[in-house]
Amino acid sequence: DTGVSQDPRHKITKRGQNVTFRCDPISEHNRLYWYRQTLGQGPEFLTYFQNEAQLEKSRLLSDRFSAERPKGSFSTLEIQRTEQGDSAMYLCASGMVGPDMNTEAFFGQGTRLTVV
Amino acid sequence: GNSVTQMEGPVTLSEEAFLTINCTYTATGYPSLFWYVQYPGEGLQLLLKATKADDKGSNKGFEATYRKETTSFHLEKGSVQVSDSAVYFCALSLYNQGGKLIFGQGTELSVKP
Repeated sequence: DTGVSQDPRHKITKRGQNVTFRCDPISEHNRLYWYRQTLGQGPEFLTYFQNEAQLEKSRLLSDRFSAERPKGSFSTLEIQRTEQGDSAMYLCASGMVGPDMNTEAFFGQGTRLTVV
Repeated sequence: GNSVTQMEGPVTLSEEAFLTINCTYTATGYPSLFWYVQYPGEGLQLLLKATKADDKGSNKGFEATYRKETTSFHLEKGSVQVSDSAVYFCALSLYNQGGKLIFGQGTELSVKP
């Protein structure tokens, strides 16, 4: 297992275009998280899945954002009608719920989005 | 609400100096606490964690103790190396909130030879 992988690593798009990012989690992990990180800030939670169910969405996730995790495996994050304010690093993490009910999250290297 | 506050960076130290990065938290519940590290050009890596009061997390010479009475989880290392140069993030999670992480703003550490 090579860990959490994200694709693409970098994306430059024109304002108003749609973009889609992919995350492949560690195979045995049932939880998958998306975060957004802007320069000089810590990552901010966007949404998470347990298996294929999307259990929580942050208020940061406007209606232009949609995430899916078909069959509880890989996940996609789509941004429609991109705006310059969407420029950020998008991080995916996966984890398993442990016997103590805590989840240790493992992060991918992220997709850096630049909207021009 | 739940939040994490870290000391501001950048922190610049000479090799073999003692490191402390302060972290305090506010949580509506009993959180687990984490330190993540982000080396230049790489993803976030878990450095250490603690899940209950008075637990000490340790890894690679770094340590942090979960202090419930002061709601703190300060990161320490006795002798830093140039290879420790990175951005360090303190974070908390609550198991009844799906394990999502709430991060501090990060502290950049630069270690000079």
